Amino acid sequence: NAGVTQTPKFQVLKTGQSMTLQCAQDMNHNSMYWYRQDPGMGLRLIYYSASEGTTDKGEVPNGYNVSRLNKREFSLRLESAAPSQTSVYFCASSNPGQGTYNEQFFGPGTRLTVL
Amino acid sequence: AQRVTQPEKLLSVFKGAPVELKCNYSYSGSPELFWYVQYSRQRLQLLLRHISRESIKGFTADLNKGETSFHLKKPFAQEEDSAMYYCALSGFTGNQFYFGTGTSLTVIP
Repeated sequence: NAGVTQTPKFQVLKTGQSMTLQCAQDMNHNSMYWYRQDPGMGLRLIYYSASEGTTDKGEVPNGYNVSRLNKREFSLRLESAAPSQTSVYFCASSNPGQGTYNEQFFGPGTRLTVL
Repeated sequence: AQRVTQPEKLLSVFKGAPVELKCNYSYSGSPELFWYVQYSRQRLQLLLRHISRESIKGFTADLNKGETSFHLKKPFAQEEDSAMYYCALSGFTGNQFYFGTGTSLTVIP
């Protein structure tokens, strides 16, 4: 049971390049999330997916797109990377619902640098 | 609007001293409150959730609805407690999580 996995662990891009960050979970969770972590800013939600086939914007969605490929996988795409997107990206999953608490399980993170 | 505030970015205490990491929140309904911890080079992991009222690694946190606070406390800090701590809030039925900006705790030997 690997939990939440992310690839790659590290990536360096040049401004304008594109890339996709991959995330997968094996806990049969309905909801998945992408966050970015920046010094002094904490974690900010980029996009989330409440269920397979649905995605919604979070706090900082500009410059990103997501795909919920199936229940297990949720990818984050940067179409044209900018230096402001240099950050650590975390994927998380959970099973929220009425009457239950919403613990999130996190992946190990992807450290992205845009030059 | 939902917001989580952690007023201290950095906190240093000596080993054996009490530690308190502050968290205040604003939410228009009944939130769920959590503390997450991130040790050096590790992923975020859940430390405490207010619903379970448990003590983990000697840490406790009480939800004070009157003061809208969820402070994290430990009576005797240990070196291994050095980490980044995040307070987080979730709506009871929501999919959105709101994290505070985090407090970096350093326990001085």
